[in-house]
Amino acid sequence: AQSVTQLGSHVSVSEGALVLLRCNYSSSVPPYLFWYVQYPNQGLQLLLKYTSAATLVKGINGFEAEFKKSETSFHLTKPSAHMSDAAEYFCAVRGQGAQKLVFGQGTRLTINP
Amino acid sequence: EAGVAQSPRYKIIEKRQSVAFWCNPISGHATLYWYQQILGQGPKLLIQFQNNGVVDDSQLPKDRFSAERLKGVDSTLKIQPAKLEDSAVYLCASRGTSGRGNEQYFGPGTRLTVT
Repeated sequence: AQSVTQLGSHVSVSEGALVLLRCNYSSSVPPYLFWYVQYPNQGLQLLLKYTSAATLVKGINGFEAEFKKSETSFHLTKPSAHMSDAAEYFCAVRGQGAQKLVFGQGTRLTINP
Repeated sequence: EAGVAQSPRYKIIEKRQSVAFWCNPISGHATLYWYQQILGQGPKLLIQFQNNGVVDDSQLPKDRFSAERLKGVDSTLKIQPAKLEDSAVYLCASRGTSGRGNEQYFGPGTRLTVT
C-alpha cells in the first residue's frame, strides 16, 4: 500500500526566499509521485510528476522536486517565492500499474511581503 | 481543450436531506474519479469509473452515497440522507488512456455544507 506524509501543515516564507515543502512516501513498489497545487475555491492543478525517469523533475511556475529513493522523499522547492505562490500544496503517490492516487494532508504556503 | 466541469459549485442543505452533484469529464477521458476533501485534509478517493463500470468503490459509504456513470461520460454522485460530517468539497477528476504516469485532471469542486 502507498502512503504519503507531508511534514508541516503550514509553511510561511518571505517573498523572494526559498520555498521548501517536504514530502515522504511509503510504497511497496516503485512509485509515481506528484505535486498538486490548489488555489482557493479551485480544483487541483498538477505542478510536476516523477515517473522513474530523471530524479530531478521540473514543473510549472518555477517549481522543482527531487526524488531520493534512499530517503523516500520527494521535496518540492522553488528558489524565490512569489506572492502568487500562496496556496495549498499536496503531494500524492501512485504505484506503477495502479490508478489510485493517495494524497498527503496538504501544506498551506503563505508568502509574507 | 475544455476542462472537467462540475455543478453546482456550492450547496447548503440540512442534515437528512439529499443532494446530487454532477460531473462532465474531459472529452474522451475513459476514467472518472470522485474525491471527498474535508477541510484541512487531502482528497480521498470515493469511487473510480472506467467507462461506465466501477473499478474501485472501497471507500464509498454505500449506505448513503451512490454514484453512476450510465453512458460512460457524465457522472452523478448522490448523498441520501446527508450527515453533518459530509460537509466537504467533492472533486471530480478524469484521466485519458493508460500510459506511463499520465495524470488526473481535476474539476473546480462542489463545496457542500450540511447544517
